[in-house]
Amino acid sequence: AQSVTQPDIHITVSEGASLELRCNYSYGATPYLFWYVQSPGQGLQLLLKYFSGDTLVQGIKGFEAEFKRSQSSFNLRKPSVHWSDAAEYFCAVDPSNTGNQFYFGTGTSLTVIP
Amino acid sequence: EAGVAQSPRYKIIEKRQSVAFWCNPISGHATLYWYQQILGQGPKLLIQFQNNGVVDDSQLPKDRFSAERLKGVDSTLKIQPAKLEDSAVYLCASSSRTFTDTQYFGPGTRLTVL
Repeated sequence: AQSVTQPDIHITVSEGASLELRCNYSYGATPYLFWYVQSPGQGLQLLLKYFSGDTLVQGIKGFEAEFKRSQSSFNLRKPSVHWSDAAEYFCAVDPSNTGNQFYFGTGTSLTVIP
Repeated sequence: EAGVAQSPRYKIIEKRQSVAFWCNPISGHATLYWYQQILGQGPKLLIQFQNNGVVDDSQLPKDRFSAERLKGVDSTLKIQPAKLEDSAVYLCASSSRTFTDTQYFGPGTRLTVL
């Protein structure tokens, strides 16, 4: 079945450590790819998106993501995590590449310890 | 610039009752989305409007859910009658055109069905 998967339900990292959140998709063609963050008490916010071109995408708040076609992955990274990064992170895809479909993964909850 | 407004923020109803949620998108945004986010899951797109027309409602349970955007601005999502499994946060988002443009999310309405 076509899907978007976030294998890690919960991740804990120390402040200042690097972070990588995994996202895999299973669609025939490369979908449009997105990462969103949902902080407690705040709405969902777009971190970055990939449509085509350079496979390394820069986003807001120091995040980046790398698209790897061979692995059907779009992993989110940050070199040094801050306590304020504690939140729920969602990968999302548009498999239609038209802007008319949208599916979110189940999310990864990030805890940052001092 | 004002963000996406939603009301009410919280609603508690008995099963088989009806409920309605209201959303006012960012001024000038042509596209409006309604999502359902069940606890522990990613948001699920219910319906997408482009101005006052429906672009996609393939995941909307049409036997009980309805939505309208009569004047191409604000929108109402209705559930009639509600079931226990409808307990969720209902998110509204808007974008200038389609998913390729950044979606801006409202704070959501938390619905509890007893």
